[in-house]
Amino acid sequence: EPEVTQTPSHQVTQMGQEVILRCVPISNHLYFYWYRQILGQKVEFLVSFYNNEISEKSEIFDDQFSVERPDGSNFTLKIRSTKLEDSAMYFCASSGTPSGGFEQFFGPGTRLTVL
Amino acid sequence: GQQLNQSPQSMFIQEGEDVSMNCTSSSIFNTWLWYKQDPGEGPVLLIALYKAGELTSNGRLTAQFGITRKDSFLNISASIPSDVGIYFCAGQPGGTSYGKLTFGQGTILTVHP
Repeated sequence: EPEVTQTPSHQVTQMGQEVILRCVPISNHLYFYWYRQILGQKVEFLVSFYNNEISEKSEIFDDQFSVERPDGSNFTLKIRSTKLEDSAMYFCASSGTPSGGFEQFFGPGTRLTVL
Repeated sequence: GQQLNQSPQSMFIQEGEDVSMNCTSSSIFNTWLWYKQDPGEGPVLLIALYKAGELTSNGRLTAQFGITRKDSFLNISASIPSDVGIYFCAGQPGGTSYGKLTFGQGTILTVHP
């Protein structure tokens, strides 16, 4: 069964460093998302991406964040200068096939720890 | 922004019992989804609901999309130990079926054998 994959599973970084989180969405999906979940809290929307541009973003997704689809399969989230409060699980999701299907399927997540 | 109130926050039940949890919102959602999350993993989709009043089953799970579009419930019948986890409701706003999901706070389910 097709699934969303994410790498790395765990990333440890120093405050102020740049990190890139990688995702491979389900191959025929058209919409891509990033969410985050701070430990013990609910999942929060960051950004959605369609047709090579951002379609919606939350107030969390400030200038320190960017997304990119550098090729036909990968979808990345970059945090330019990490802060302690960026420590969280980051989930990639994808949805939307040409024939319909609105369900969002999530990857296993990347645990980001900022020291 | 839109908020989802999910209840109960946690449940402790005996194996074999039925479980019910629900979500309510002050605003309308176009789609309701229910996810289960195991520790350290991503949310796994259980059921998706697209029409007001819709009742959908997936094995021992049954979910309904409230007629007002502002609420949904999930029932689990005859619980088993592997049902343990955190259950989240999530709603998509009206206007687009591809929009962001707003998640509830989650219901932590513990099943005693």
